[in-house]
Amino acid sequence: SQTIHQWPATLVQPVGSPLSLECTVEGTSNPNLYWYRQAAGRGLQLLFYSVGIGQISSEVPQNLSASRPQDRQFILSSKKLLLSDSGFYLCAWGTGGASYEQYFGPGTRLTVT
Amino acid sequence: GENVEQHPSTLSVQEGDSAVIKCTYSDSASNYFPWYKQELGKRPQLIIDIRSNVGEKKDQRIAVTLNKTAKHFSLHITETQPEDSAVYFCAASILRGGGNKLTFGTGTQLKVEL
Repeated sequence: SQTIHQWPATLVQPVGSPLSLECTVEGTSNPNLYWYRQAAGRGLQLLFYSVGIGQISSEVPQNLSASRPQDRQFILSSKKLLLSDSGFYLCAWGTGGASYEQYFGPGTRLTVT
Repeated sequence: GENVEQHPSTLSVQEGDSAVIKCTYSDSASNYFPWYKQELGKRPQLIIDIRSNVGEKKDQRIAVTLNKTAKHFSLHITETQPEDSAVYFCAASILRGGGNKLTFGTGTQLKVEL
């Protein structure tokens, strides 16, 4: 069966510091991968998605970036964090094709101080 | 782009009653509508989904209905139980090659009271 991992689980970072969040998927190949952000008490906002290695689509212009160096690895980065970057970051995977379900990882709770 | 509105923002029901959450979407080309349940501090979990070629789908106590003409879809939970208490999110997307970009509603906090 498929499993999705995210780390770290929680992170407290000062404003202006860099960020690197990692997501990996097991048990499937060539998944579609997604990064979402959920602000406190709010809905989910799609940040980036990827349909293959090195293929990244950005949905919201901001100081974040994403990369997919391997088939089942998705990384979210920032060079300089802002207070507004605080939130719950969720990675999701989907198979595409005839099945379009998306399944979320456990998330990273980021607090920028 | 797509815009999804969700109502109500909070819903309180007695155990055993039914609960209904409604969503409207703006893009008539949207053809995939999932519902997620999120417990406090946890990840959203997919509970049911529907595609635009189907008007209704049921899974035990949960059902989803879709009205393409009116561009709205609803989640129905029957015989509610305390463990149904959570935040529920609807979403919509246009299924096509190159990823499934979900647009989410703002969520409904469901509380099932004993």
